[in-house]
Amino acid sequence: EAAVTQSPRNKVAVTGGKVTLSCNQTNNHNNMYWYRQDTGHGLRLIHYSYGAGSTEKGDIPDGYKASRPSQENFSLILELATPSQTSVYFCASGENNANTEVFFGKGTRLTVV
Amino acid sequence: GDSVTQTEGLVTLTEGLPVMLNCTYQSTYSPFLFWYVQHLNEAPKLLLKSFTDNKRPEHQGFHATLHKSSSSFHLQKSSAQLSDSALYYCASNNAGAKLTFGGGTRLTVRP
Repeated sequence: EAAVTQSPRNKVAVTGGKVTLSCNQTNNHNNMYWYRQDTGHGLRLIHYSYGAGSTEKGDIPDGYKASRPSQENFSLILELATPSQTSVYFCASGENNANTEVFFGKGTRLTVV
Repeated sequence: GDSVTQTEGLVTLTEGLPVMLNCTYQSTYSPFLFWYVQHLNEAPKLLLKSFTDNKRPEHQGFHATLHKSSSSFHLQKSSAQLSDSALYYCASNNAGAKLTFGGGTRLTVRP
């Protein structure tokens, strides 16, 4: 089974601080994703990547940056964290095929105070 | 861009009754459709996906039929079980990378 590992699993950050969420996958998938999950909004796509060196804006990219330094790693960066970014963040990976499933990590609960 | 709509945020029903969760989509092309399920404190995982032909996908008693004429991919099950209580997401993908999810439907099954 595909393995996607997120770190940290829980994070408390201060407003205005920098936060980096990390994601690692060991299945050699080309595509990786960052979503946030909020009640009433479901899973919303922040950034995604087709492979090492590529990052694409999703549906809600404002306030977030992404970095894909290698096939295995995909990071989400909040340069200036705000309370509105308090959420649960999920990383996922999948093959570059529209008809294949994606595999999710266990999520990171971020609280910005 | 593509969008997926799930009209019910919350569905509560009694064990043994049929389940139907709605999903409609908007896309320039003909996307592939998926249902993901997320149990409490777990990650979302694939429940079933649409086929390119007319096969009806089924898994764990759930099934869904892609109707291109109405842009729908409703999830159904003939008899709900307590263990079906979870958050269900409909999703679409037409370009190989951008996977778009709906707002989710929380299903609660009571004894």
